[in-house]
Amino acid sequence: QSVLTQPPSVSGAPGQRVTISCTGSSSNIGAGYDVHWYQRLPGTAPKLLISGNTNRPSGVPDRFSGSKSGTSASLAITGLQAEDEADYYCQSYDSSLTVVFGGGTKLTVL
Amino acid sequence: QLQLQESGPGLVKPSETLSLTCTVSGGSITNSGYYWGWIRQPPGKGLEWIGSIYYSGSTYYNPSLKSRVTISVDMSKNQFSLKLSSVTAADTSVYYCARQGSSWYGDAFDIWGQGTMVTVSS
Repeated sequence: QSVLTQPPSVSGAPGQRVTISCTGSSSNIGAGYDVHWYQRLPGTAPKLLISGNTNRPSGVPDRFSGSKSGTSASLAITGLQAEDEADYYCQSYDSSLTVVFGGGTKLTVL
Repeated sequence: QLQLQESGPGLVKPSETLSLTCTVSGGSITNSGYYWGWIRQPPGKGLEWIGSIYYSGSTYYNPSLKSRVTISVDMSKNQFSLKLSSVTAADTSVYYCARQGSSWYGDAFDIWGQGTMVTVSS
């Protein structure tokens, strides 16, 4: 299993707010390493959504936001749209000398 | 704008070596401040970091794959490559190349190739 734990799936209706958690430990997120978030639409490569815990790259809508506290991080999506249906992954670094990813969360827009 | 494109065989026999190349276009791989990485995703599973390289040749590998992985860079061709030896069915994955920030351990992968499916089978 993945070093970073994400819920396998979340869902929400259009217009609603959903959050995706990424739970780590004292050897990764809790050690102060940054968390990054990616969106992978079906059949496409991952796209950087949030870098450095809270920063949105140019072109990413402000409906997407990131936060980090203790050994966990979260991705929030407000004003949910059908086009947000995708897989979402968190990434950080672990003191075992490796870049680590979460197992991924499938977002379904009802 | 910067683009990355993976290339290589889509089918590799068990125990052989998987070889992939990532061609960078729209910018130079020697642009200081960036690492270049390989990430894979087995069918139905999550993403796994394989390793990252700086244009000078400094490399960092996933400890779980380190004994089998070699990542190299060819500045003259603006490419970087992945070799994974002694492959098994467990290495069947979509392989992505991506640009990473200036810190191989701390930074995000901001530009990705489209990915290439590699199947290990006899």
